[in-house]
Amino acid sequence: ELKVEQNPLFLSMQEGKNYTIYCNYSTTSDRLYWYRQDPGKSLESLFVLLSNGAVKQEGRLMASLDTKARLSTLHITAAVHDLSATYFCAVDVSIQGAQKLVFGQGTRLTINP
Amino acid sequence: EPEVTQTPSHQVTQMGQEVILRCVPISNHLYFYWYRQILGQKVEFLVSFYNNEISEKSEIFDDQFSVERPDGSNFTLKIRSTKLEDSAMYFCASSVTAGVYNEQFFGPGTRLTVL
Repeated sequence: ELKVEQNPLFLSMQEGKNYTIYCNYSTTSDRLYWYRQDPGKSLESLFVLLSNGAVKQEGRLMASLDTKARLSTLHITAAVHDLSATYFCAVDVSIQGAQKLVFGQGTRLTINP
Repeated sequence: EPEVTQTPSHQVTQMGQEVILRCVPISNHLYFYWYRQILGQKVEFLVSFYNNEISEKSEIFDDQFSVERPDGSNFTLKIRSTKLEDSAMYFCASSVTAGVYNEQFFGPGTRLTVL
């Protein structure tokens, strides 16, 4: 059974600090996505990682993918309150045809002033 | 900017009743999906749909569930006889292709409450 595990599940941090969210998965895949979800809202696409060694950055967030280790990281630099949300990684496990995403449990990030 | 829309935003129903959740995918997208998220839990894949056929479905998507693209714009999820455990947020998503670069865009969701 495919497992996508995020660590930590809850993270409370102060503004200005750096931290990393980890996403481990148990199958071979070179397509991984990061999404943000605000309370009661939909999923907002943050990063699309499509190959081993892929690194993407947007503002204070940076995501990377190591397909050999089956690990993706989402790094937060100098956190600000606006980044408080739940972050999900999702692994694409489709072989052909339409995509099938398997999500991690989510990391609820709270950034305190 | 094009977006996926869903109606209704909130649906309350009695156990055993049928519900239909509606989605309008982004107009040039060819692949459509339904996911659900039970409150406080992770997002779970239900079904993918392409060329008027189901491409893949999960174990959750049993005989009580069906999907349809009744016209050129709508994509629906029907639950024939709702159970208490069907209470969840249901997200529709669409993507242009199923190729390497295949980003799914999610709708705002329909919150289904089964009483």
